[in-house]
Amino acid sequence: QKEVEQDPGPLSVPEGAIVSLNCTYSNSAFQYFMWYRQYSRKGPELLMYTYSSGNKEDGRFTAQVDKSSKYISLFIRDSQPSDSATYLCAMRLQGTSYGKLTFGQGTILTVHP
Amino acid sequence: NAGVTQTPKFRVLKTGQSMTLLCAQDMNHEYMYWYRQDPGMGLRLIHYSVGEGTTAKGEVPDGYNVSRLKKQNFLLGLESAAPSQTSVYFCASSYPARIGGYTFGSGTRLTVV
Repeated sequence: QKEVEQDPGPLSVPEGAIVSLNCTYSNSAFQYFMWYRQYSRKGPELLMYTYSSGNKEDGRFTAQVDKSSKYISLFIRDSQPSDSATYLCAMRLQGTSYGKLTFGQGTILTVHP
Repeated sequence: NAGVTQTPKFRVLKTGQSMTLLCAQDMNHEYMYWYRQDPGMGLRLIHYSVGEGTTAKGEVPDGYNVSRLKKQNFLLGLESAAPSQTSVYFCASSYPARIGGYTFGSGTRLTVV
């Protein structure tokens, strides 16, 4: 069983839809949770990160962490064609000496006009 | 532009050939990483470095070697390429205490035939 599970999709939605992306994990020691966005033929770029449980909002993006359920989500409101990308969740243990991240497999999202 | 530069961008190797992938960053980051990305597997850490002259193994180090002779450069070597090493390779760098603050390169697409 992988430490981090993420539905690879693909997910296709119309422009303006609300998108929900999710990851589950098995290691309860993860404390930092991140979402990366990766455009085709590019490297991942950090979108959002949260520490422990709770919500964080940044413009059209909201990240949620539910540590009791070992479940994290990324919501995209008013989705745009420019949001079409692969979204990767990533997690990190507190106090890791070299900042190792454990990634999910990534979800491919397409937002069509 | 500041960032992480990977060379080459594409390469086709024959089984048994050797090659070196170069990663260069100009952000004065202490930590550097090599990941491989395969369909359905997400990003997996090959090797990492926490400073000039140091290297350490990640999750999937077999068949690879690395060197960090200068702070800004991190080299990944394949001594005898195998088809199982066909992948997209990403280099990343970060400051030690910066949560999730990886800067990724654009990747090297390697095919071993």
